[in-house]
Amino acid sequence: AQSVTQLDSQVPVFEEAPVELRCNYSSSVSVYLFWYVQYPNQGLQLLLKYLSGSTLVKGINGFEAEFNKSQTSFHLRKPSVHISDTAEYFCAVSAATSGTYKYIFGTGTRLKVLA
Amino acid sequence: KAGVTQTPRYLIKTRGQQVTLSCSPISGHRSVSWYQQTPGQGLQFLFEYFSETQRNKGNFPGRFSGRQFSNSRSEMNVSTLELGDSALYLCASSFGLAGGPGETQYFGPGTRLLVL
Repeated sequence: AQSVTQLDSQVPVFEEAPVELRCNYSSSVSVYLFWYVQYPNQGLQLLLKYLSGSTLVKGINGFEAEFNKSQTSFHLRKPSVHISDTAEYFCAVSAATSGTYKYIFGTGTRLKVLA
Repeated sequence: KAGVTQTPRYLIKTRGQQVTLSCSPISGHRSVSWYQQTPGQGLQFLFEYFSETQRNKGNFPGRFSGRQFSNSRSEMNVSTLELGDSALYLCASSFGLAGGPGETQYFGPGTRLLVL
């Protein structure tokens, strides 16, 4: 079965510092990868997605992620974070399993940006 | 285009009662998925409806049920509420089946349910 692992449940980082949120997925013939962000008291919104092509994907709010097939990873990065980036971040994968499409979320990483 | 809307936003119920939550997807979207979010369990998939048919189901007891109408609006029902059902219930819509090649899910703000 497909699975998504977010290795860090919480990541504290100082404002203007770089950050990397890690995501690994179980291998499949073809997968589509997503990062979503959830701000307090809101639903999730899409940050970026990888479907095919260039392995470096740029998203909103200055975030980017790199698809690494050999490492089965899709880590999210931002070179300089702001207080407003404080939120929970979810990695997700969609893939076909036994003829059925499944959308699977990781357990989330809470990013806390400190002043 | 209006986003995904969920009503009500907040709900307080007592054990044993039942509750119905509503979700209106983005116009033109045919798939609606429901998730339960709790601090301990994270995002748990409940079920997905596409063109009025349940297409996928998560590992939840039969007390959790749903349906989808011809205009793609969806409702979720929880009967015989338990304390552990307290959670944020999120609905997400997509044009095609969630999980389909490159499909993005668009989430509503959620309904926060508290069971006393």
